[in-house]
Amino acid sequence: DAGVTQSPTHLIKTRGQHVTLRCSPISGHKSVSWYQQVLGQGPQFIFQYYEKEERGRGNFPDRFSARQFPNYSSELNVNALLLGDSALYLCASSPAGQETQYFGPGTRLLVL
Amino acid sequence: SQQGEEDPQALSIQEGENATMNCSYKTSINNLQWYRQNSGRGLVHLILIRSNEREKHSGRLRVTLDTSKKSSSLLITASRAADTASYFCATSETYKYIFGTGTRLKVLA
Repeated sequence: DAGVTQSPTHLIKTRGQHVTLRCSPISGHKSVSWYQQVLGQGPQFIFQYYEKEERGRGNFPDRFSARQFPNYSSELNVNALLLGDSALYLCASSPAGQETQYFGPGTRLLVL
Repeated sequence: SQQGEEDPQALSIQEGENATMNCSYKTSINNLQWYRQNSGRGLVHLILIRSNEREKHSGRLRVTLDTSKKSSSLLITASRAADTASYFCATSETYKYIFGTGTRLKVLA
């Protein structure tokens, strides 16, 4: 089975622009979570979606939003990009009722 | 802010030695997990220990949990160069996952 996939792998944007990152979970996984990982730090939780509903939200500004589609894939949107948004964005999926998360390879975003 | 704090921040050992890293957290938990990350890419789940468990083994990994001290340790025995990576502990509150700051392990051949 394919693992969690994310696209694109790398992205360069300028301040003020908008970005959309995409994630496809492992087949059968209904839960998707998004994380931001700044260089040298641990992942910071942004959102969790389950069955297309937001189930958890971390301490991120409203510039960050996400959604989950009927096929359980997900998008993370970030508006009005700041230099500090430069990071590795990770997506993880989980089977229903389990705590273990399966991570994708991430999207590396650079904001100039 | 991150709940878990790993200690040490960095660790360098020789191949064949054991590596121990520690994690402290702040609130009550249902379970605690350890993940490995190679070269800033995706994380790989290593082991999950529930709050009613004190010790768990998986291959060369041994995890302990002390809920009274709000701490956990990960022991990797007979380390290999391939174990070189960053290791993170993670706890979950209701639908929210909190990762620690990580321990960077370097195993020298």
